[in-house]
Amino acid sequence: QQQVKQSPQSLIVQKGGISIINCAYENTAFDYFPWYQQFPGKGPALLIAIRPDVSEKKEGRFTISFNKSAKQFSLHIMDSQPGDSATYFCAALKPGGTASKLTFGTGTRLQVTL
Amino acid sequence: GAGVSQSPSNKVTEKGKDVELRCDPISGHTALYWYRQSLGQGLEFLIYFQGNSAPDKSGLPSDRFSAERTGGSVSTLTIQRTQQEDSAVYLCASSSHGTGRGGYTFGSGTRLTVV
Repeated sequence: QQQVKQSPQSLIVQKGGISIINCAYENTAFDYFPWYQQFPGKGPALLIAIRPDVSEKKEGRFTISFNKSAKQFSLHIMDSQPGDSATYFCAALKPGGTASKLTFGTGTRLQVTL
Repeated sequence: GAGVSQSPSNKVTEKGKDVELRCDPISGHTALYWYRQSLGQGLEFLIYFQGNSAPDKSGLPSDRFSAERTGGSVSTLTIQRTQQEDSAVYLCASSSHGTGRGGYTFGSGTRLTVV
């Protein structure tokens, strides 16, 4: 059972454009939603995260929008640059002791063209 | 160290052989996770260690897979009698909080190829 669904699988955006990646979750117990960025040959790195008590979080060119009622959240990359070309993973975490592990989406490969 | 270190970075093994993958987490991080990343797939949870608690092994795909964490630091993931479907990148991560809310720091992974 895939608890976090991510789309699209791949995305091509022109330099300067807006990249949008969407995720949907099923378990309402999730209370922490991070995004990770992965470059080839490297492990994923935390990019930005949000809690469900806010609808939007912005860090530089990266924004998370969160819709609690729809159980959806998305990553927006403004003014996309070739250096943003990477694979992006959304994730979700539910609280509670030893059960606290991230559930990841399947990833979106972003290519930003010149 | 400054980051999570995994070794080897690449491993090619023959089908049926056993392999050991090593992870050195960030010093002081109490939580350690193993994930598997197959080509075109997301990150599949394998096992999670938190302090002295019993590990969460719910993601291990078969009894050929096992992991241990010695002294609350270094972890070893062992795959016995490797199969071709075990070929993947095995990622280790650590976190300063058992809840994971501080974010995971991943290593660069071990790329395992079973021939």
